[in-house]
Amino acid sequence: ETGVTQSPTHLIKTRGQQVTLRCSSQSGHNTVSWYQQALGQGPQFIFQYYREEENGRGNFPPRFSGLQFPNYSSELNVNALELDDSALYLCASSFGPGGSYNEQFFGPGTRLTVL
Amino acid sequence: GENVEQHPSTLSVQEGDSAVIKCTYSDSASNYFPWYKQELGKGPQLIIDIRSNVGEKKDQRIAVTLNKTAKHFSLHITETQPEDSAVYFCAASIRTNAGKSTFGDGTTLTVKP
Repeated sequence: ETGVTQSPTHLIKTRGQQVTLRCSSQSGHNTVSWYQQALGQGPQFIFQYYREEENGRGNFPPRFSGLQFPNYSSELNVNALELDDSALYLCASSFGPGGSYNEQFFGPGTRLTVL
Repeated sequence: GENVEQHPSTLSVQEGDSAVIKCTYSDSASNYFPWYKQELGKGPQLIIDIRSNVGEKKDQRIAVTLNKTAKHFSLHITETQPEDSAVYFCAASIRTNAGKSTFGDGTTLTVKP
């Protein structure tokens, strides 16, 4: 069974640029959640994708957008990067909302630095 | 929305001692409370969880307690070992969608040999 993978591991961008982060969900999982983890803080929920549709969003502006593909892998896109976007971006996969206690499994994260 | 507060932010114990981390939550609709361990350079890993219909759960050296009335839950680690050193996060969510969890800000646990 393959775990959750994310790419790239590290990324450096400048203010105003755009970035795409990628996540492959664990085998058998159809739901991907994205979190932003600033240094010294807990992960903050950005949004969730379930069967290729957005299924809930946290308190993040529209310049944070995402996609989920038919194979349930996912992308997080951030436009017009700001310095405060520097963080560890975590992806977590699970087996769908609505079932019973769906544990989520996290990938190792992508460390984004905005200069 | 849900708000989760976690204390203490840092905790240092001697090997073999116990460690306790406490969290409070605000939304009475939350009914699933996982605890995660995050090591340097890795994503959070689930170590134990508790559902709102249970007051306590144990798994070897780790236990979690939940007080629904007071809206707080705690992680207890007994007989700590140096490899327990990590950042621990509590979280709260609706049981049918743990993927929309609200996390505490973490506790950095250091176990001194």
